[in-house]
Amino acid sequence: KQEVTQIPAALSVPEGENLVLNCSFTDSAIYNLQWFRQDPGKGLTSLLLIQSSQREQTSGRLNASLDKSSGRSTLYIAASQPGDSATYLCAVSPNTGGFKTIFGAGTRLFVKA
Amino acid sequence: EAGVAQSPRYKIIEKRQSVAFWCNPISGHATLYWYQQILGQGPKLLIQFQNNGVVDDSQLPKDRFSAERLKGVDSTLKIQPAKLEDSAVYLCASSLGQSISGNTIYFGEGSWLTVV
Repeated sequence: KQEVTQIPAALSVPEGENLVLNCSFTDSAIYNLQWFRQDPGKGLTSLLLIQSSQREQTSGRLNASLDKSSGRSTLYIAASQPGDSATYLCAVSPNTGGFKTIFGAGTRLFVKA
Repeated sequence: EAGVAQSPRYKIIEKRQSVAFWCNPISGHATLYWYQQILGQGPKLLIQFQNNGVVDDSQLPKDRFSAERLKGVDSTLKIQPAKLEDSAVYLCASSLGQSISGNTIYFGEGSWLTVV
């Protein structure tokens, strides 16, 4: 059974700092991995999608990497800003056992001005 | 482009009452998802439709939850009777095709349910 874990559960950093959020998954048989952002009281917004054949994806100040063999992904945020404060969730789409996209519990990020 | 629309945004009901949530996906999106997100947890898939057929409903508590997607567009999720543990945000999402094909999933803002 696929399980997705995100560490840390919460993180507080000063503005301008570069930071890394971690995601691990137990079954490496995945089609893709996605990183989402969730603001309080809102739905989820897709940030980056990495196909299983890819190693990383970049969008602006965000860079996500995928190491399928070790079951890990990282989301790197450069030069963090107060507007980056949100919960970041990773989700994997397994290629076995059905089509469910499985989410981690998220990392709550607070960037202090 | 209009996003995924959900209503109502907020609902408070007593246990054993019923409630229904409505979702209108992005135009042209064949895949529609209903997720349950309990406070502090990640979303859990309840049901996934491909057009108007069910792809996965293995985590839907079928004794009290039901969902339909008539004509492959709008969808409704119903809970009857509600339990205290059903208090959560119910997120509807859609994608052009299935997520395993690399299609981005777009979420609505959710329907917040409190059962008292």
